[in-house]
Parts: sequence; C-alpha cells; structure tokens
Amino acid sequence: KNQVEQSPQSLIILEGKNCTLQCNYTVSPFSNLRWYKQDTGRGPVSLTIMTFSENTKSNGRYTATLDADTKQSSLHITASQLSDSASYICVVSANRDDKIIFGKGTRLHILP
Amino acid sequence: DVKVTQSSRYLVKRTGEKVFLECVQDMDHENMFWYRQDPGLGLRLIYFSYDVKMKEKGDIPEGYSVSREKKERFSLILESASTNQTSMYLCASRWSNQPQHFGDGTRLSIL
Repeated sequence: KNQVEQSPQSLIILEGKNCTLQCNYTVSPFSNLRWYKQDTGRGPVSLTIMTFSENTKSNGRYTATLDADTKQSSLHITASQLSDSASYICVVSANRDDKIIFGKGTRLHILP
Repeated sequence: DVKVTQSSRYLVKRTGEKVFLECVQDMDHENMFWYRQDPGLGLRLIYFSYDVKMKEKGDIPEGYSVSREKKERFSLILESASTNQTSMYLCASRWSNQPQHFGDGTRLSIL
C-alpha cells in the first residue's frame, strides 16, 4: 500500500536553532517527492521537489535530502526563524496512475 | 505567479443545504483538485479533473460532486450538507506533473 509517514508529529524549538523533519515512504513506482510549507490559515506552498536521481536540494535555509534506496527524505531547517512556524507536508508521487500521496505533516513551533 | 483563488475563506451552512465551493486558477492549468484537510488525517483527495467537463473520483467522493464547465474554474458541490463535512477545503491546480499550487482554503462549518 502506498503510504507516506512523517515524524515527528510536532516539534518545538527555539529561534535560531536547527531542526530536521523526517519522511518515510512506501510509494512505488516512485516519481518524485515534494516538501510543502503550510502556514496557519493558508494553503500549502511548495518548498522543494526531488526526483529519483537527486540526493540534495536547497531552498534558502531549507535543505531537503532523498535516499531512494531506503525510501527516506529529510527536511533540514537552518537557523530557524519565527516565520518558520508552520506545518511541513511531505508529498510523494507515483508514476503509475500519477497518484499523489500526502503525509500528515509535522507541526513546527519556533519559540522566541 | 500562479494564483488559485477560492471564493470564500469562511463559510457557515446548515445541515441539508446545498453548498457550492468555487475555485479559479489563472494559469491555464489543465489539472485541478479538491481536497479536504482534517486534524490528524492530512489532505484527502475528493475529486480531480484533468480537463474541461472531465472529472474523476478521488479517495473520498461520497457526499460530493464537482463541475468543470470552464478550464479555469472547478466547483465542489455538497448536495446535502452534513455535520461530518465540516472541514477545511483546499483547491489545487497544476500543469502536467509539476508541483500543485494551492488556494488558501475554505473553512466550512455545517451546523
């Protein structure tokens, strides 16, 4: 069964600290993996997209990694800011039927 | 920049009412989607459309229908609203297999 599991469910860190969010998937055949950021009361916004051949991709202070062998991805946030407080959703697409599978998200709280 | 606009940010309706949620995108995207988002459940696909007048059921279509008369507009219809349809509804569009662009959502409460 195609599944995307994210951990932790929620995370609280102090402003300026780094953090890493995890995403494990069982989607097959794999097409691509995306990380979205969803601010409270807003729709998700794409941060990164990674295909099978990509290991690392950065977007400012956000760095996503992908290990296609172990079917794991991580999103690392460097020098966190208050504006990073949001839900982060991992989304995996399958080649077959173009299925899009969403993780349930990690809720990140940055404290001043 | 792609803009996906949902007609209402907040909506309150009564049980049994017919409810229309509207979504418009301005980038000529062929693919459009309707999701509902509930705490602890993430986003779940209700319906999607790959072209005008075309629709496909998602994972939880029961109690909903959709309409796509024009390429830029994708409407979600609750035929007879029930309290278990209280949720955040998100519309998305995309071109081909590119990332989806989401609207800001409609928070619907059914009383």
